[in-house]
Amino acid sequence: KAGVTQTPRYLIKTRGQQVTLSCSPISGHRSVSWYQQTPGQGLQFLFEYFSETQRNKGNFPGRFSGRQFSNSRSEMNVSTLELGDSALYLCASSVVGIYYEQYFGPGTRLTVT
Amino acid sequence: DQQVKQNSPSLSVQEGRISILNCDYTNSMFDYFLWYKKYPAEGPTFLISISSIKDKNEDGRFTVFLNKSAKHLSLHIVPSQPGDSAVYFCAAPYSGGGADGLTFGKGTHLIIQP
Repeated sequence: KAGVTQTPRYLIKTRGQQVTLSCSPISGHRSVSWYQQTPGQGLQFLFEYFSETQRNKGNFPGRFSGRQFSNSRSEMNVSTLELGDSALYLCASSVVGIYYEQYFGPGTRLTVT
Repeated sequence: DQQVKQNSPSLSVQEGRISILNCDYTNSMFDYFLWYKKYPAEGPTFLISISSIKDKNEDGRFTVFLNKSAKHLSLHIVPSQPGDSAVYFCAAPYSGGGADGLTFGKGTHLIIQP
């Protein structure tokens, strides 16, 4: 079974720009979660989607948004980028949700200059 | 406020000995805990989990112990192997405080010495 894939793997953007990251879950997994990892804050939960609906949300500003498509693929968008948004963004999929074993992708390394 | 805490940023253990990684939590509503392992340039990998109705769960060389009264859990790796060198995160799903999701500790970097 193919694992979770994330594109792109690396991205450099300028302050004020917006960015869209993509995640393809493991086949059959309907829950997709997004996390931000930074050296200072560690791994922080952004949001979770299940069957195209945002079911859970972490404490991040509205500049961070996401969506899920009917094939369970998900995208997250960050608008008006700030230097502090530089981080590794990880996507994870699971069969039904956050209480279950989640499979992580390799992440997208976003650098904001 | 960090609800899941891993107070040791790093731990060095000799190959073949026992590695013990610790995790403390503050929210008594947590009812499920997970451990993940992360190698550089890869996403975290699920290792083992435990429900709050149990105080121990074992899977091969990995055992997780839960002490609910102390709000403490630990991951034991016996015997430790070089491939165990990685960052280990403990995590718990939670709901409330305006946020719902999976909260992680900041991780412990385990280094297995030959």
